[in-house]
Amino acid sequence: DVKVTQSSRYLVKRTGEKVFLECVQDMDHENMFWYRQDPGLGLRLIYFSYDVKMKEKGDIPEGYSVSREKKERFSLILESASTNQTSMYLCASTPGQIQETQYFGPGTRLLVL
Amino acid sequence: QKEVEQNSGPLSVPEGAIASLNCTYSDRGSQSFFWYRQYSGKSPELIMSIYSNGDKEDGRFTAQLNKASQYVSLLIRDSQPSDSATYLCAVYGSNSGYALNFGKGTSLLVTP
Repeated sequence: DVKVTQSSRYLVKRTGEKVFLECVQDMDHENMFWYRQDPGLGLRLIYFSYDVKMKEKGDIPEGYSVSREKKERFSLILESASTNQTSMYLCASTPGQIQETQYFGPGTRLLVL
Repeated sequence: QKEVEQNSGPLSVPEGAIASLNCTYSDRGSQSFFWYRQYSGKSPELIMSIYSNGDKEDGRFTAQLNKASQYVSLLIRDSQPSDSATYLCAVYGSNSGYALNFGKGTSLLVTP
């Protein structure tokens, strides 16, 4: 079974703090993704990575950065958290071929005060 | 361009009935289609994938794909209260590469 884990289920941060969300997958998947999900807006892609040290912007990259130093780990960084970044953050991964099923981690619910 | 459309619902069906969830997509070149189930506060989990026109059955679930009409559906037979969740349709577009396009989901409520 594919296992995608995220470092925290719930997180509360203050405006202006630097926030790190970590995602780890144990199936040697090439591709990893970060989404945020908000009521009425659905899943929106923030960034994805198709290889170590490679990244591509998704639909809403502003205010975020990512890091992929090892194949199994993909980090999402909020450089200076703002209240409008309060959301559910979901990590996903897929094997190397395109158009494969995405497998999701459990999600991190982030509240920025 | 990146349009995957679903009726937001809620769709309410009685226990034991067939629930029919529908999804349309705009990219005629799309090849891969997925249905995910998402319980409140949880992450999406894959129910079915479908790649060819026609029906694909897995237990109580049947996915139907009609590429000519750009339409994919999910039927849930003998619906149970535990099927109450949001169902997300997801499509790979012809030029989307690794990025999967998600609909906003349909909320299903199965009433005892």
